[in-house]
Amino acid sequence: QKEVEQNSGPLSVPEGAIASLNCTYSDRGSQSFFWYRQYSGKSPELIMFIYSNGDKEDGRFTAQLNKASQYVSLLIRDSQPSDSATYLCAVNAPTLIQGAQKLVFGQGTRLTINP
Amino acid sequence: GAVVSQHPSWVICKSGTSVKIECRSLDFQATTMFWYRQFPKQSLMLMATSNEGSKATYEQGVEKDKFLINHASLTLSTLTVTSAHPEDSSFYICSARKDRVQETQYFGPGTRLLVL
Repeated sequence: QKEVEQNSGPLSVPEGAIASLNCTYSDRGSQSFFWYRQYSGKSPELIMFIYSNGDKEDGRFTAQLNKASQYVSLLIRDSQPSDSATYLCAVNAPTLIQGAQKLVFGQGTRLTINP
Repeated sequence: GAVVSQHPSWVICKSGTSVKIECRSLDFQATTMFWYRQFPKQSLMLMATSNEGSKATYEQGVEKDKFLINHASLTLSTLTVTSAHPEDSSFYICSARKDRVQETQYFGPGTRLLVL
């Protein structure tokens, strides 16, 4: 079982609709959860992070975390063509360096917003 | 802000040569930096974690003698690909962690390496 799993897509959503991206993780000890957006040929950029159960909203983006079910999701409201990208879910994990954490990434979900 | 730069943005080299990639945190100090590699249509794969002033910790399967990492200061980490071969051609991306509390990583723009 992969540590972080995402549906690779492609996920196609009409412009103006809500895009829903899901991610599950295997380590119950994980505390920090991140969503990154990666445009083709570019490096990832941080969209949101969430640490507590429930919803966290930032503009058109809402991250949802359910630690009991070990899933985290990202909702994008009023989807725009510029939202078309690959969305990476990342979860923290310990490293061999004391006190340091690393991020484990899912394979990413490719999202296409259709005008 | 949290800006991370990388240099060079792309490099083409002959097989057998060494290539050095720099990663800098421009507006914050980063005690921990990370190096990733990404092949086309695949996700990010962590290569190593480095703390300023100490040896890097490499992920399983990553050759430490081939991918030399130096984290000489709180704002600079370098990755040297030694004796590069065509199979090392990839997109190399660094990230820097801004603080220990939030664990948030900010990524550099990446370096595209092509080994001929």
